[in-house]
Amino acid sequence: QQPVQSPQAVILREGEDAVINCSSSKALYSVHWYRQKHGEAPVFLMILLKGGEQKGHEKISASFNEKKQQSSLYLTASQLSYSGTYFCGTETGRSYIPTFGRGTSLIVHP
Amino acid sequence: NAGVTQTPKFQVLKTGQSMTLQCAQDMNHNSMYWYRQDPGMGLRLIYYSASEGTTDKGEVPNGYNVSRLNKREFSLRLESAAPSQTSVYFCASSTLANKVDYGYTFGSGTRLTVV
Repeated sequence: QQPVQSPQAVILREGEDAVINCSSSKALYSVHWYRQKHGEAPVFLMILLKGGEQKGHEKISASFNEKKQQSSLYLTASQLSYSGTYFCGTETGRSYIPTFGRGTSLIVHP
Repeated sequence: NAGVTQTPKFQVLKTGQSMTLQCAQDMNHNSMYWYRQDPGMGLRLIYYSASEGTTDKGEVPNGYNVSRLNKREFSLRLESAAPSQTSVYFCASSTLANKVDYGYTFGSGTRLTVV
C-alpha cells in the first residue's frame, strides 16, 4: 500500500529548515528516503529499519516512529542543492522492496 | 564509473510496435528492478529479479516482459506498445549482502513516448 507523503510541496529560502513526513496505514519494517532532481535519477539518501529511531548527519536526518507508523525527513539550514523531489519508500513486510510515495517537491530559493 | 547503465535514453514508438529497454550494472548486485514513473504517481514497480535466474511481477506488470540475462543485465520488453505506456522507465539494482543498507542505485532513465 502506497505511503502518504506530506506536504506535497515546500518552498524555502536558503538557510531555512524543512520537515517531510511519510505515513503508512500498516506497520512498518523499513523506510527508505530518496531525492530526485529534475530530469535525473532518484538518489538514495538513507534507510531506517525497524528498531532504529534516527539516522543521518547534521544537515539531513530522518526519524522512524514505529508506533505512529511514520517517518520524518529533516533538512536543516537548507541549501540550493537540496531542491528536488523527495520520495519515501516503505516496507510493511520483510520483502526488501519498498513501495514509494508520490513525492514531496522541495524548492529552495536564494 | 560504476553504476547502472540504461539504453536508450529517449525513444518514440508507434502504437503496436515493440522494443526492449536494456539495463546493466557493474556493482555485483544480486537484485535488479524496473520501475515506471508518471507525473504525480511516484515510482511503481513493474518487475524485479531478486537474483540471477529469477523474476517476479511487481505492481504494474501488464504489457511488459523481462529477462534476467545474467547477473549484470536485466531487460524490459514491450511487446505491443500502447499510449498508456508513455512514461519514464528506471532500472535499479541493490545488494542484500548485509541486509541493513540495501538502498537502490538507479539508472539515468529512459523517456518513452508511444504515439
